[in-house]
Amino acid sequence: DAMVIQNPRYQVTQFGKPVTLSCSQTLNHNVMYWYQQKSSQAPKLLFHYYDKDFNNEADTPDNFQSRRPNTSFCFLDIRSPGLGDAAMYLCATSRTTSGRVNEQFFGPGTRLTVL
Amino acid sequence: DQQVKQNSPSLSVQEGRISILNCDYTNSMFDYFLWYKKYPAEGPTFLISISSIKDKNEDGRFTVFLNKSAKHLSLHIVPSQPGDSAVYFCAASSAGGTSYGKLTFGQGTILTVHP
Repeated sequence: DAMVIQNPRYQVTQFGKPVTLSCSQTLNHNVMYWYQQKSSQAPKLLFHYYDKDFNNEADTPDNFQSRRPNTSFCFLDIRSPGLGDAAMYLCATSRTTSGRVNEQFFGPGTRLTVL
Repeated sequence: DQQVKQNSPSLSVQEGRISILNCDYTNSMFDYFLWYKKYPAEGPTFLISISSIKDKNEDGRFTVFLNKSAKHLSLHIVPSQPGDSAVYFCAASSAGGTSYGKLTFGQGTILTVHP
């Protein structure tokens, strides 16, 4: 089945220790998104890739970076995690169609704990 | 500034009855609305959507109503089943421009359907 896969499902890191979360997709979608969701809050878009074009949200901290080496993979790098970065990180993909919003397909998420 | 709001954190319904989940938005540029369902330990999955050119969209037991003048939409589930128990997210987007289908989510409503 075509799907969005996130690894690991649970990640524990220490305060200030860099961490990388990964996302892969078999849907061959051209857009990939990274969301941060804190408890009882709405998922918040951090950035997205349209093909290789990176689009950062205005309020995404510089501490968060992303890489998309190819269509299938996208990585979220947190350079110096703080306690406030503990959250669920969701990866999503979609296929763009001009003038139309297509549904996004989500992975199961990675829950990040910062000690 | 929360552009999409789900003011009811939770809703409890008896099996077989109607579940009504509500969502309000403030951005008049939004012209496409989606509902996602999320089970624990899984990513959100697309449920149903509606374009602003319509005021109703129906898919089986699920119907979404849109009131543009009130900037309000609702999801009706009839009849409700215990398997519908999940967190429901409302999301909004704009089909035009270069937004690439970016979604703005509400905080979610936890639906519990009792047998």
